[in-house]
Amino acid sequence: AQSVAQPEDQVNVAEGNPLTVKCTYSVSGNPYLFWYVQYPNRGLQFLLKYITGDNLVKGSYGFEAEFNKSQTSFHLKKPSALVSDSALYFCAVRGDMNYGGSQGNLIFGKGTKLSVKP
Amino acid sequence: EAGVTQFPSHSVIEKGQTVTLRCDPISGHDNLYWYRRVMGKEIKFLLHFVKESKQDESGMPNNRFLAERTGGTYSTLKVQPAELEDSGVYFCASSQVVRAEAFFGQGTRLTVV
Repeated sequence: AQSVAQPEDQVNVAEGNPLTVKCTYSVSGNPYLFWYVQYPNRGLQFLLKYITGDNLVKGSYGFEAEFNKSQTSFHLKKPSALVSDSALYFCAVRGDMNYGGSQGNLIFGKGTKLSVKP
Repeated sequence: EAGVTQFPSHSVIEKGQTVTLRCDPISGHDNLYWYRRVMGKEIKFLLHFVKESKQDESGMPNNRFLAERTGGTYSTLKVQPAELEDSGVYFCASSQVVRAEAFFGQGTRLTVV
């Protein structure tokens, strides 16, 4: 079965410090990996994706994520956190269709609340 | 370019009533998806349209839920009759192609009392 795990319900970081939001996945074949962010009273906004190619993916707002196949991880990172980065972050995976993965639907983690304090 | 639009943003209804949610995808996006997040739980897939056809409706919880996408443009999701456990945030998303990222609307918060 396909699944996504975000082991931390909440991550607290001081402004200016680096941040990491963890994500691990379980799929058959090659995964399609995504990060989304939800600001208060807003919808989900796409941040970045990994489909193939370079393991380090750069996205919006200075975020990046590293795909690690051996550890089945796709952690979200930012070198210097801003107070405005405080939000709910979701990792999602779409399975490889050649291995029975669903053609369209995303499997989401439960979300990690990021709190950046001044 | 306009994003995915959902209406209403909030709905409070009594148990047993009917509610219809609407989603307008990004123009030109053939793929339209419905998801739901029940309080404190993961965002769960409901179904996937390609144009007007239901490609995958494996996530629909039961036959009280009916989704349509007539003409391959906007979509509606009807819950009839609503139950307490249907409360949650219903998200709609669209994408140009299946493997591309999906763009989400702001969600409809449904509260059944």
